[in-house]
Amino acid sequence: DTGVSQNPRHKITKRGQNVTFRCDPISEHNRLYWYRQTLGQGPEFLTYFQNEAQLEKSRLLSDRFSAERPKGSFSTLEIQRTEQGDSAMYLCASSLVGELYGYTFGSGTRLTVV
Amino acid sequence: AQSVTQLGSHVSVSEGALVLLRCNYSSSVPPYLFWYVQYPNQGLQLLLKYTSAATLVKGINGFEAEFKKSETSFHLTKPSAHMSDAAEYFCAVIYPGANSKLTFGKGITLSVRP
Repeated sequence: DTGVSQNPRHKITKRGQNVTFRCDPISEHNRLYWYRQTLGQGPEFLTYFQNEAQLEKSRLLSDRFSAERPKGSFSTLEIQRTEQGDSAMYLCASSLVGELYGYTFGSGTRLTVV
Repeated sequence: AQSVTQLGSHVSVSEGALVLLRCNYSSSVPPYLFWYVQYPNQGLQLLLKYTSAATLVKGINGFEAEFKKSETSFHLTKPSAHMSDAAEYFCAVIYPGANSKLTFGKGITLSVRP
């Protein structure tokens, strides 16, 4: 197992364009989390899935953001009509339910909106 | 509101000196506590965790942290800094009933002088 994989590593897009990021969790992990990290700040929770069900969304996740986890495997995070304020590192993590030791982060996708 | 506080944004030490990074949490019920390290353009790597077992927790790379309920603190220490320790360090908590959702502090950048 190679850990949590995120693609792409970097994305530069023009304001107003749509972008989609992908996260492949550790295969046996049934929970998947998305976080956003802006410069000089700690990661902030966006949303999480248990299997294919999206169980919680942060108020940070505006209507322009949508996340899916079809079949409880990989997940995608889409941002529509990107704004400069969306520029950040988007981090994905996975874990097992009830297991506090297996919270593994990916390397992140850095989004720059120009 | 429940939160985690990391005092200061930058700590600079000489190589071989003691490293002390402070973290305080706000909760009447002790949470689960974590320290993560982040190198530039990388994801988060778990250094150590407190999950209500021993109050002195040893982690990777020679780091340790002590949970002090009376002080609501979980400070990170390392007896002797190495150049490779230069990175950003995040304290994080999982509060009871938070669905294993991590709440992060703002982070502290550690610089190590030769």
